[in-house]
Amino acid sequence: DIQLTQSPSFLSASVGDRVTITCRASQGISSFLAWYQQKPGKAPKLLIYAASTLQSGVPSRFSGSGSGTEFTLTISSLQPEDFATYYCQQLNSYPPYSFGQGTKLEIK
Amino acid sequence: EVQLLESGGGLVQPGGSLRLSCAASGFTFSSYAMTWVRQAPGKGLEWVSAISGSGGSTYYADSVKGRFTISRDNSKNTLYLQMNSLRAEDTAVYYCAKEPRYYYGSGSNYYFDYWGQGTLVTVSS
Repeated sequence: DIQLTQSPSFLSASVGDRVTITCRASQGISSFLAWYQQKPGKAPKLLIYAASTLQSGVPSRFSGSGSGTEFTLTISSLQPEDFATYYCQQLNSYPPYSFGQGTKLEIK
Repeated sequence: EVQLLESGGGLVQPGGSLRLSCAASGFTFSSYAMTWVRQAPGKGLEWVSAISGSGGSTYYADSVKGRFTISRDNSKNTLYLQMNSLRAEDTAVYYCAKEPRYYYGSGSNYYFDYWGQGTLVTVSS
């Protein structure tokens, strides 16, 4: 099975900051990676798929990059509503469609 | 507007069974693969099972293979997850999600674009 490791697991930042979250795959997954945002008590929300394609309706301050085994999610200027937990997911091969362990983004 | 509404969760004893449903609306249900993802309390996301649009192909995580069965009724726009031989470690919020396909140069792939609100399954004596 393909393992995904996100770093950092916890991130403290301020409104207006630029933040980057990294997702590393245990083997190459081409560009078959998605990013989701989850707020407490809510379902995950798709942000990016195919590593860098922004889902319709998602603000342009979110961007994704990478291919192979290393990927990044960048938020260019943090807004108050961006404080949440972020997950990467590989869709290169299944079962399973594995997820990273999550990165909790907190207000500094 | 796409809507996915899960139901059927609840408290069940170890070894028991439960059937989850996911009622879909706002899109042509039979045209899309569907999936179940779960999240144990305070933990991360775990993919559980997926099914093709026709229902002819099904896929399972090793942790549930042989105990869970995914199915769908396209005439009722409903996705199901039959869960048998439940264990304490199956305790989680279960989400259904829609899997659209996108195409690129030499093939296609999927992602999960809409998720339901989730239904809580608690396995405890």
